[in-house]
Amino acid sequence: QKEVEQDPGPLSVPEGAIVSLNCTYSNSAFQYFMWYRQYSRKGPELLMYTYSSGNKEDGRFTAQVDKSSKYISLFIRDSQPSDSATYLCAMSANNAGNMLTFGGGTRLMVKP
Amino acid sequence: DVKVTQSSRYLVKRTGEKVFLECVQDMDHENMFWYRQDPGLGLRLIYFSYDVKMKEKGDIPEGYSVSREKKERFSLILESASTNQTSMYLCASSSPSQGPYGYTFGSGTRLTVV
Repeated sequence: QKEVEQDPGPLSVPEGAIVSLNCTYSNSAFQYFMWYRQYSRKGPELLMYTYSSGNKEDGRFTAQVDKSSKYISLFIRDSQPSDSATYLCAMSANNAGNMLTFGGGTRLMVKP
Repeated sequence: DVKVTQSSRYLVKRTGEKVFLECVQDMDHENMFWYRQDPGLGLRLIYFSYDVKMKEKGDIPEGYSVSREKKERFSLILESASTNQTSMYLCASSSPSQGPYGYTFGSGTRLTVV
């Protein structure tokens, strides 16, 4: 079993829809949680990050962590065609910045 | 802006060739990483380096080696390329002062071994 599981998709939604992307994990030591967005033929870029449990909002994006369930989510409101990308969750047990564990990525397509 | 530059976007190599993938970062980051990305498997760490001439094995180091002679440059070496090393290779850098949120990735090198 992988340490971090993520549905690969593709997830296809109409423009304006609310999108929910999720990851589950097995390592209870993870405390730092990140979402990366990767456009085609580009490297991943950090989109959102949270520490421990709770919610964090940034514009149309909300990151949510439920450590008791070992489950994290990224919500995208009013989705746009420009949100079409692969979304990767990543996690770390320490703040040294030298060991991230990634999910497999979910490919999202937002249709105009 | 932090820039991580990978020397090649696309490479095609023959089985058995020695392959060098180069990565350069311009922000004086201490940490540098090499990942490979395969569909459904996400990013898997091959090697990382936290200082010049220092290296640590990641999750899948077999068949690879690395070199870090200068702080800004981190090279991945495929000693004898095989078809199962066909993949997207991503380089990243970070600074310990930025913790786990400070990774910056290059645009990747798509390597095909024939």
